[in-house]
Amino acid sequence: EAGVTQFPSHSVIEKGQTVTLRCDPISGHDNLYWYRRVMGKEIKFLLHFVKESKQDESGMPNNRFLAERTGGTYSTLKVQPAELEDSGVYFCASSPAGLSHPEQYFGPGTRLTVT
Amino acid sequence: GNSVTQMEGPVTLSEEAFLTINCTYTATGYPSLFWYVQYPGEGLQLLLKATKADDKGSNKGFEATYRKETTSFHLEKGSVQVSDSAVYFCALTASGTYKYIFGTGTRLKVLA
Repeated sequence: EAGVTQFPSHSVIEKGQTVTLRCDPISGHDNLYWYRRVMGKEIKFLLHFVKESKQDESGMPNNRFLAERTGGTYSTLKVQPAELEDSGVYFCASSPAGLSHPEQYFGPGTRLTVT
Repeated sequence: GNSVTQMEGPVTLSEEAFLTINCTYTATGYPSLFWYVQYPGEGLQLLLKATKADDKGSNKGFEATYRKETTSFHLEKGSVQVSDSAVYFCALTASGTYKYIFGTGTRLKVLA
């Protein structure tokens, strides 16, 4: 079974540009999550999809971030326009439906550098 | 609010040394607790978990016990190997919720 994949693995953009990150969850996983780790700090929750619906977006830092999960399969996270403080590693995770299996399966992350 | 406090790193040990990485938490109710590991160049992997008080999670020689009375979930291994060098993250999910709350991570370096 393929794991969670993320693309690109690394992105370097200039301040003010737009970047779109992609996540492909494990097939059949209804839950999809985005997290971010900035400057070696703790990994912070951004948002949670159940299928194509946003269940919880309380961690989204501001309206420059837009996440979508059309069709309930892969998800994209767009940052527009990017700022220096957006640099960090963006992780995607997925899990099966329900809370009986609380563990999440993480992708390798996308390292975003804004210069 | 809910939070996880993890010991600062980096931790440097010689091969076969005993490892403890401290993790304490603040949460209402009965959270589920996790340890994840990130090896160099890779993503986060679930190392072990515990979903109720006094549960012991174990995997690859690592163990952690869910201690409600001390709100702790310390990670231990009796004899570390060079291949255990990685960053270790403690995390929780609060009762009835999905999102993880992570600690800051502890980098472990094991020397041959």
